[in-house]
Amino acid sequence: EDQVTQSPEALRLQEGESSSLNCSYTVSGLRGLFWYRQDPGKGPEFLFTLYSAGEEKEKERLKATLTKKESFLHITAPKPEDSATYLCAVLKAAGNKLTFGGGTRVLVKP
Amino acid sequence: DVKVTQSSRYLVKRTGEKVFLECVQDMDHENMFWYRQDPGLGLRLIYFSYDVKMKEKGDIPEGYSVSREKKERFSLILESASTNQTSMYLCASSLNRRGGNTIYFGEGSWLTVV
Repeated sequence: EDQVTQSPEALRLQEGESSSLNCSYTVSGLRGLFWYRQDPGKGPEFLFTLYSAGEEKEKERLKATLTKKESFLHITAPKPEDSATYLCAVLKAAGNKLTFGGGTRVLVKP
Repeated sequence: DVKVTQSSRYLVKRTGEKVFLECVQDMDHENMFWYRQDPGLGLRLIYFSYDVKMKEKGDIPEGYSVSREKKERFSLILESASTNQTSMYLCASSLNRRGGNTIYFGEGSWLTVV
């Protein structure tokens, strides 16, 4: 059965304190791995898609990387506005359905 | 920019009522999805559609149905609402059936069934 596990469940950071979020997955035939940001009461906002091991993508203070078993979202020198829940999801080769992890709630304190 | 619009942000309905949640996307996407999101359970797929008048069950279709009469519009129907259907409902869309395309989400509809 396809599984996506995110850790930690919650992360409290001081402003400027860099850290990484983990997304480990077991899926037969990965077509893509997606990262989303979700603010309270809102829908997920797309951040990145990664397609193959070794791929990296960056956007402002965020950098996503992918291996054959996991993905990391690195937050460099975070600011309070980076506080959100970060969701990881995988799309497998057969079909067009995303399987989501449980998310990591990030709180960045000034 | 892709725009997925959910017509109702907040609804309160009574047990047994028929509930319609409407979703419209403006990017000519072929695929549309309905998810629900609950604390501790994450996002779960209810139904999805690859094309007009086509629908497929997701992981938790029980108690729901869908309608896609036009390409841009995907409706979620609760035939007889129950309290365990109180949740946040998210509509999403992506470009085409070949997959690998980004799935874009709407802002969500908060449904409370009393």
